[in-house]
Amino acid sequence: QVQLVESGGGVVQSGRSLRLSCAASGFTFSRHGIHWVRQAPGKGLEWLAVISYDGSDKYYADSVKGRFTISRDNSKNTLYLLMDRLRPEDTAVYYCAKDQLAAPSIDYWGQGTLVTVSS
Amino acid sequence: QSALTQPASVSGSPGQSITISCTGTSSDVGGYKYVSWYQQHPGKVPKLMIYEVSNRPSGVSNRFSGSKSGNTAFLTISGLQAEDEADYYCNSYTSSNTRVFGGGTKLTVL
Repeated sequence: QVQLVESGGGVVQSGRSLRLSCAASGFTFSRHGIHWVRQAPGKGLEWLAVISYDGSDKYYADSVKGRFTISRDNSKNTLYLLMDRLRPEDTAVYYCAKDQLAAPSIDYWGQGTLVTVSS
Repeated sequence: QSALTQPASVSGSPGQSITISCTGTSSDVGGYKYVSWYQQHPGKVPKLMIYEVSNRPSGVSNRFSGSKSGNTAFLTISGLQAEDEADYYCNSYTSSNTRVFGGGTKLTVL
């Protein structure tokens, strides 16, 4: 079955960097676009970024453009999110999520990893 | 990239039907068929309920249906059940190749 397992979350000081990983299994990773989505405590879902199946195209939400970088390694079935210049408002659960095949619709989500940015 | 507009809350009694709206613009909801709806129970991961405006994934009850008119998409839940109480989010593809979520709607089953 489809599995997406995030890791790399934790407590980090404001202004520092953190890299999240998402290990995928149960589907052909190299054929799907993959996203990062976050949810601040008690708040709604916020879309952050997407990377195409081969990594050639990347798109970001304005709120993180220039600070966050999405990447993937299809040989390792792994997605990454490098987060620079972190702010307290970046505190959230970060989810990776996959698109359906050949359609820009998210169908499966990981369990999420909590990032807490302390001031 | 403004969030899509959803009502903060809706409620209904068991057996009734409710509809949640999701309003965007011609650059997102109105311009594409790629509108999805997600259900999220407290402390749980979002679950896909509707994709491409009106399609249900395998395993999702046919009590859930989706539609769209202009720049607004709709999620209708018929025959409300206690287990339907959750937060619901819409999501749309955009003209910038990005995605945008709605602010979420809390459904209360009375």
